[in-house]
Amino acid sequence: AQKVTQAQTEISVVEKEDVTLDCVYETRDTTYYLFWYKQPPSGELVFLIRRNSFDEQNEISGRYSWNFQKSTSSFNFTITASQVVDSAVYFCALTSGNTPLVFGKGTRLSVIA
Amino acid sequence: GAVVSQHPSRVICKSGTSVKIECRSLDFQATTMFWYRQFPKKSLMLMATSNEGSKATYEQGVEKDKFLINHASLTLSTLTVTSAHPEDSSFYICSARVGGDGRNTEAFFGQGTRLTVV
Repeated sequence: AQKVTQAQTEISVVEKEDVTLDCVYETRDTTYYLFWYKQPPSGELVFLIRRNSFDEQNEISGRYSWNFQKSTSSFNFTITASQVVDSAVYFCALTSGNTPLVFGKGTRLSVIA
Repeated sequence: GAVVSQHPSRVICKSGTSVKIECRSLDFQATTMFWYRQFPKKSLMLMATSNEGSKATYEQGVEKDKFLINHASLTLSTLTVTSAHPEDSSFYICSARVGGDGRNTEAFFGQGTRLTVV
């Protein structure tokens, strides 16, 4: 069975601080895909990134960066110089391709001005 | 990215009535659609998987007679909450995927529907 664990339920930071959201996954598949989504208060899910299991390169997109470590089954997400607009719930998710996305419980990030 | 439109975004209904939620893929054909339910401050729980032209596959614990899913075309799936009760109040969100293999794994999500049963 596949499982995604986001141990941090809530995080609160002051604006301009860096923050890392943790994601640990479990799967027996050798091919799988990991995702991060942002859910603002309005409720819609905003796609942030997809990473496949064969690509361990870390990725940076503006203030966002992702660290994929197969050795520790982790796919952590870092926001640099956080802003109030980053306040949202962030979900990590996993699929093997033919299966539905399995979501973690989410991490609620509050960025305080 | 591809667009998935979900309607309505909010609905309030009386106990005992039925509510239909639509999920449309606007610019691609979705062979597979998924319906999720999200309780307040909780994660998304998969309710069912629907494939165009066949019966939906429900997750354990989800009442298929209560949550009717129809995927009649490659661009439309509907979820009908029948005989709604206050405990059915929740945020329902659909997602659509183009293909079933690893090349098309990105799931595109609708905006979600907040259902309140009074």
